[in-house]
Amino acid sequence: QKEVEQDPGPLSVPEGAIVSLNCTYSNSAFQYFMWYRQYSRKGPELLMYTYSSGNKEDGRFTAQVDKSSKYISLFIRDSQPSDSATYLCAMSARGTGALTFGSGTRLQVQP
Amino acid sequence: EAQVTQNPRYLITVTGKKLTVTCSQNMNHEYMSWYRQDPGLGLRQIYYSMNVEVTDKGDVPEGYKVSRKEKRNFPLILESPSPNQTSLYFCASMAGHNSPLHFGNGTRLTVT
Repeated sequence: QKEVEQDPGPLSVPEGAIVSLNCTYSNSAFQYFMWYRQYSRKGPELLMYTYSSGNKEDGRFTAQVDKSSKYISLFIRDSQPSDSATYLCAMSARGTGALTFGSGTRLQVQP
Repeated sequence: EAQVTQNPRYLITVTGKKLTVTCSQNMNHEYMSWYRQDPGLGLRQIYYSMNVEVTDKGDVPEGYKVSRKEKRNFPLILESPSPNQTSLYFCASMAGHNSPLHFGNGTRLTVT
């Protein structure tokens, strides 16, 4: 079993929809949780970064961490075609250097 | 512009022919690392470096070498490439603990 599980998709939604992306993990030592966005032919870029449990909001993006369930989510409100990308969850016990990544969910937002 | 630059972007080679993928960052970051990305497996760390002349193995170091002689450069060396090293490779750097990880745009390597 992988340490971090993420549905690969693809997930196809109409423009304006609310998108929910999720990861589950097995290592209870993980304390730092991140979401990266990766466009085709580009490297991943950091979208959201949270420490321990709780919610964090940044514009149209909300990250949630539920450590008791070992489950993290990324919500995208009012999704746009420009949000079409692969979304990678990542987590670490020690900070952003030693990351364990999910395999990524490919999102397509249809205009 | 702050960036991580990898070269080449695409590389096709044959089994056993030594190759080097270069990585350079202009942000004066101490930490640099290499990842490979494969379908269904996500990003896996190959090697990382906390500072000049300090390198350590990641999760999948077999068949790879690195060096960190200067702060800005962190080349990835494949002494004898094999087809199972066909992958998309990313170099990354960060300023310090809990800082964002900055990725290059990747090198797609095919070993035949």
